[in-house]
Amino acid sequence: AQTVTQSQPEMSVQEAETVTLSCTYDTSESDYYLFWYKQPPSRQMILVIRQEAYKQQNATENRFSVNFQKAAKSFSLKISDSQLGDAAMYFCAYGRTGGGADGLTFGKGTHLIIQP
Amino acid sequence: NAGVTQTPKFRILKIGQSMTLQCAQDMNHNYMYWYRQDPGMGLKLIYYSVGAGITDKGEVPNGYNVSRSTTEDFPLRLELAAPSQTSVYFCASETSGGFSSNEQFFGPGTRLTVL
Repeated sequence: AQTVTQSQPEMSVQEAETVTLSCTYDTSESDYYLFWYKQPPSRQMILVIRQEAYKQQNATENRFSVNFQKAAKSFSLKISDSQLGDAAMYFCAYGRTGGGADGLTFGKGTHLIIQP
Repeated sequence: NAGVTQTPKFRILKIGQSMTLQCAQDMNHNYMYWYRQDPGMGLKLIYYSVGAGITDKGEVPNGYNVSRSTTEDFPLRLELAAPSQTSVYFCASETSGGFSSNEQFFGPGTRLTVL
């Protein structure tokens, strides 16, 4: 079974600075997807960024980027120019390819605090 | 499109009561999922469905039942509610087939308390 580990229960960063959230995973599959979801106090799960394992290039979405190290099974999220609206829980998730019929596997989350 | 909708948003049950959490999606997605999120934890899969009439157990199915009579609807039934079922429940959907990227679209969640 796949596992996802987020070793930082809480992170704090000053507004406008950069922060990196860590995630490691374990799988025997060679092709899969990895995700970062944001969960603000409203509870809504919002997709931040997605990475296909077969792509070597790291995904980027505006201020959000990932460092995907397939051999190390590491998938960190970098948030640049942190904004107050970035404060939330962040979950790393793993999904198999081919439709992901057995769902996503989530880590326990990292609570990100933005200091004004 | 409304996306994925869930009702109710909040509910308090007494031990032993039953209820159904409703979930609907209007994106014509074949795959649908139910997750639960306990305090301080990530989401765990309860049940999933790959199409109308087909359902299967996830990681934590005990105490729950599902049905999928239409593509749009995927209700979750709690029988004999127990305090251990106090959680936030999320429904999600995903397209399927060769173009799927596993992106799941989530509903707003239902906060359930069992006292």
